[in-house]
Amino acid sequence: AQSVTQLDSHVSVSEGTPVLLRCNYSSSYSPSLFWYVQHPNKGLQLLLKYTSAATLVKGINGFEAEFKKSETSFHLTKPSAHMSDAAEYFCVVSNTGTASKLTFGTGTRLQVTL
Amino acid sequence: GAGVSQSPRYKVAKRGQDVALRCDPISGHVSLFWYQQALGQGPEFLTYFQNEAQLDKSGLPSDRFFAERPEGSVSTLKIQRTQQEDSAVYLCASSATPETGRETQYFGPGTRLLVL
Repeated sequence: AQSVTQLDSHVSVSEGTPVLLRCNYSSSYSPSLFWYVQHPNKGLQLLLKYTSAATLVKGINGFEAEFKKSETSFHLTKPSAHMSDAAEYFCVVSNTGTASKLTFGTGTRLQVTL
Repeated sequence: GAGVSQSPRYKVAKRGQDVALRCDPISGHVSLFWYQQALGQGPEFLTYFQNEAQLDKSGLPSDRFFAERPEGSVSTLKIQRTQQEDSAVYLCASSATPETGRETQYFGPGTRLLVL
């Protein structure tokens, strides 16, 4: 079984300040981990993914995440928030292997204020 | 190139009606997935196709839900005798290769279904 816990349902930051969205996972096998972003009325878009290579993963738009097996965490960070980053963010886990399905967290809504 | 498209974007149905939701994946993509996203929740897996074969339908909530992909491209999700609890956004995603848990899935904009 696999699961994801996003520790904050809502995060608010000021423009230009750092972003931290927290995610913990549970997986019986070697997991792959993803962060997806969902802007209003748009489809989910992949930000970055970890698939057992480098533990520090860089994604689009300046986001990055670090896989920490000892802490079962995959937190998403960005040094400086931009207004356009306001959206819903989903942490996702899958077990590597054939016909593996994605399991989504409940999401974190990021608000960016001036 | 064109991404994943879904139609209709919005659907209002009376309880008990049948509905059909369409997904056009990215051309040439082998894998196709359906998800259900309830309000305020993350998407939940419904079913997975590899080409025309439905390899996993473990997420379909009841036998009122049926999905097909007869020619390995376009897919249809059908819900019979809709109930109010079926109200949700239905997302379709595709990926280029058979699913191994590592592939990037490309999502469509979703179909928002409201059952009255």
